[in-house]
This record gives sequence, structure tokens and C-alpha cells, in this order.
Amino acid sequence: DQQVKQNSPSLSVQEGRISILNCDYTNSMFDYFLWYKKYPAEGPTFLISISSIKDKNEDGRFTVFLNKSAKHLSLHIVPSQPGDSAVYFCAASGVSSGSARQLTFGSGTQLTVLP
Amino acid sequence: ETGVTQTPRHLVMGMTNKKSLKCEQHLGHNAMYWYKQSAKKPLELMFVYNFKEQTENNSVPSRFSPECPNSSHLFLHLHTLQPEDSALYLCASSQTSGTANYGYTFGSGTRLTVV
Repeated sequence: DQQVKQNSPSLSVQEGRISILNCDYTNSMFDYFLWYKKYPAEGPTFLISISSIKDKNEDGRFTVFLNKSAKHLSLHIVPSQPGDSAVYFCAASGVSSGSARQLTFGSGTQLTVLP
Repeated sequence: ETGVTQTPRHLVMGMTNKKSLKCEQHLGHNAMYWYKQSAKKPLELMFVYNFKEQTENNSVPSRFSPECPNSSHLFLHLHTLQPEDSALYLCASSQTSGTANYGYTFGSGTRLTVV
């Protein structure tokens, strides 16, 4: 059973408009959430994160919103640019054995920004 | 070199072969991870090493054998693999203490094809 779910495998958005990527989780012990971006033939790169004590974190064009009661987070990209076209992974973090924080990932959403 | 480096980038091996994947991190992190990414699936955690000690083996078949000789190097030894093991294998590292960003730094991955 997936603890982190990204139900939309793909999303297409026009350049300049807002992209909204969604993520749901089931484990209430997660206390840190991250978004990663992945281009083909590269490893995922960290984009933005949010602690469970916050409901919003903004970094330039990227904003992550967290709704703990709904166990839902979303990534907003505005304005969207063609270079944002990539696979976006949602990840959740909680302390595990040996104090090594593990990340549990969703299956990713392919974002395509159309010029 | 900086970051997380994985070699080789691509590997094709027969089911009776023995090969090894290598990962090296130059970030001073103390935890290292192996993830498997299959098409349309979430990134699957395989192994976690914290301060060179394996703290997690996520029900991975014994045909995958990890080795962590020090905090900077991680290997994944492969033998008698199956075609369904074909995937992108990603290495990551992180720092496990503190309250700052718990995100991982990923390598570019090894694209493994088992024939």
C-alpha cells in the first residue's frame, strides 16, 4: 500500500499559467515533505520542502501548501515555464531506525509546459 | 568532483553475470541509500546505511548485495538478476542530524538492463 500517492501521472499546462501538482499521504507520522524534480537521464533534484508545523512555504515561483487534516500537499508553479517540464516527485520524511531519515516517494507526475 | 557520482551510467548484463554499481559522495554526509525506479512506479527504497552500518533492508532479494566500506562509498553487487530487475538504480546521501532540510542528494543513476 502506497503511503505517498500522486494520482495524476501527467499534467499539461500552457506557458505563463499556473501548474498545480497534488500529493496525498496516509502516514500521520510524516513530519517533513519535499518535492523533487527529475529530468530524463538525471537523478531527482531537490526543489522545495515544508515542515509539518507550517501550511505554506514559498520560494520564488514555487509554493508548497500543506493541509494536514486532509493529509494533502500541493506544489504550485507560477508562472510556468517550458524549462519546468519534468517529472515531479512528492516525498515524505519521518525518523526511522538509526536516526537515518528515510524518504517515501510518490510515483511522480510528468509536467509538460507548452509554449 | 562534488555531489553524488554513480558509475556506470548504463549497464547491460546477462542473467548469469556478476556486476557492481558504485556510488561516491563528496558532501560529507553520513547516510547513503539505494533506490530503484521502475517505469510508472514510485522510487522504491532498497537499502539504508547510516555511519556505514546497514539500518534498513527493505525486503530486497538476496541477488542484490550492498556494501558500504566507508561513509563516502556505497556499492550494489548484482548476481543472477532477472529481466524484471531492469530499472534505474539511484544512489542518494543525506545528513542525518539537525533540524534543517532533510532532503537527499541523488546521483544521476545507473540504467540497468538485464537480458
